[in-house]
Amino acid sequence: AQSVTQLGSHVSVSEGALVLLRCNYSSSVPPYLFWYVQYPNQGLQLLLKYTSAATLVKGINGFEAEFKKSETSFHLTKPSAHMSDAAEYFCAVSETGGGGNKLTFGTGTQLKVEL
Amino acid sequence: NAGVMQNPRHLVRRRGQEARLRCSPMKGHSHVYWYRQLPEEGLKFMVYLQKENIIDESGMPKERFSAEFPKEGPSILRIQQVVRGDSAAYFCASSPGRTSVSYEQYFGPGTRLTVT
Repeated sequence: AQSVTQLGSHVSVSEGALVLLRCNYSSSVPPYLFWYVQYPNQGLQLLLKYTSAATLVKGINGFEAEFKKSETSFHLTKPSAHMSDAAEYFCAVSETGGGGNKLTFGTGTQLKVEL
Repeated sequence: NAGVMQNPRHLVRRRGQEARLRCSPMKGHSHVYWYRQLPEEGLKFMVYLQKENIIDESGMPKERFSAEFPKEGPSILRIQQVVRGDSAAYFCASSPGRTSVSYEQYFGPGTRLTVT
């Protein structure tokens, strides 16, 4: 069974500071990994995905994530936070074989960006 | 190319009534997923459907919940005899299919169900 753990349900950073949102996963097969962002009262928007190609993945809005198999991690980073980055972020894992590719989500990290 | 459409966006039902949530996938997508987001929680998988077939319903509650994706028309998530615990945001996602190399899912804006 696959699972996702997001450490820190709330993260607060200053505008211009580094953003680091943590995600650890467990999966019995090589995983596909995703980061989604959710703004208030909206659906989820894909930020980036890892699909067994390059381990450093670049996404939209300046975000990137690095897949580290040895640490079973897929942390999300952005060098310089912007006020518009304030939102909830979800890490998700999908198994690559059988049973479709349903996503298993972490519980989310609410990012607050302060002046 | 329109995105995933869900309606209604907000739905209020009294306890014991039925709720019907609709999802139209992106054009060209034949796979639909439903997820539920309870307050202060992440999204939980409910059901995965292809046209006229339920592929995986391992996340569906055993009673009162059903889903369909007919040959024509939107996918429907149906909740009978709603209870207060059903209050949540219900999200639909679609994908081109399992042959898609990205396995990416595109999400709709959600239906927020409130049971009074």
